[in-house]
Amino acid sequence: AQKITQTQPGMFVQEKEAVTLDCTYDTSDPSYGLFWYKQPSSGEMIFLIYQGSYDQQNATEGRYSLNFQKARKSANLVISASQLGDSAMYFCAMREGPPAGNNRKLIWGLGTSLAVNP
Amino acid sequence: DAGVTQSPTHLIKTRGQQVTLRCSPKSGHDTVSWYQQALGQGPQFIFQYYEEEERQRGNFPDRFSGHQFPNYSSELNVNALLLGDSALYLCASSANRGEAFFGQGTRLTVV
Repeated sequence: AQKITQTQPGMFVQEKEAVTLDCTYDTSDPSYGLFWYKQPSSGEMIFLIYQGSYDQQNATEGRYSLNFQKARKSANLVISASQLGDSAMYFCAMREGPPAGNNRKLIWGLGTSLAVNP
Repeated sequence: DAGVTQSPTHLIKTRGQQVTLRCSPKSGHDTVSWYQQALGQGPQFIFQYYEEEERQRGNFPDRFSGHQFPNYSSELNVNALLLGDSALYLCASSANRGEAFFGQGTRLTVV
């Protein structure tokens, strides 16, 4: 079974509008972390936002927010006020277990390609 | 503050050859992880180094090996290259919460 599922291979959004990218995860570990990354065509993976399993509040970083629904095991990324530069691949990833120095493995989804239209 | 740096950025090798990729972590990070990303796929975890030891390993054959040096930099070695090893190889160093900061990657082409 897939541990990270991103069901939207491609998404389109108009510039200045908000968009939600879906991510569901599967783990039996009570301690875990969820991450979103952006990968432009240049290939570099850019960290966007992090949510810990014990965090009480949904994470926010500028125009990015994470809609964390623990019971549903979903961690959707919301991008507000989309910009042309947001066009890229977006990956959801998970770390199972606590963030110890010997536990850094991230499990990744297949990604969602986002295109922002002018 | 220098981020994660990888070298080389591009590499072309012949089947059967060996390759070494290098990574310097972000300042203050002591953990380095390596990922392989095939075209159109998400990254796949190869292994992670912490305190100069391999701590975790993904589902990759022994042809993939690595090393971490006292200054936390790391190498990824791949022996007996196959065509299927062609991919983007990403190095990441980690902060306390485990979020990985990535280098620009090395694009390896095996011909």
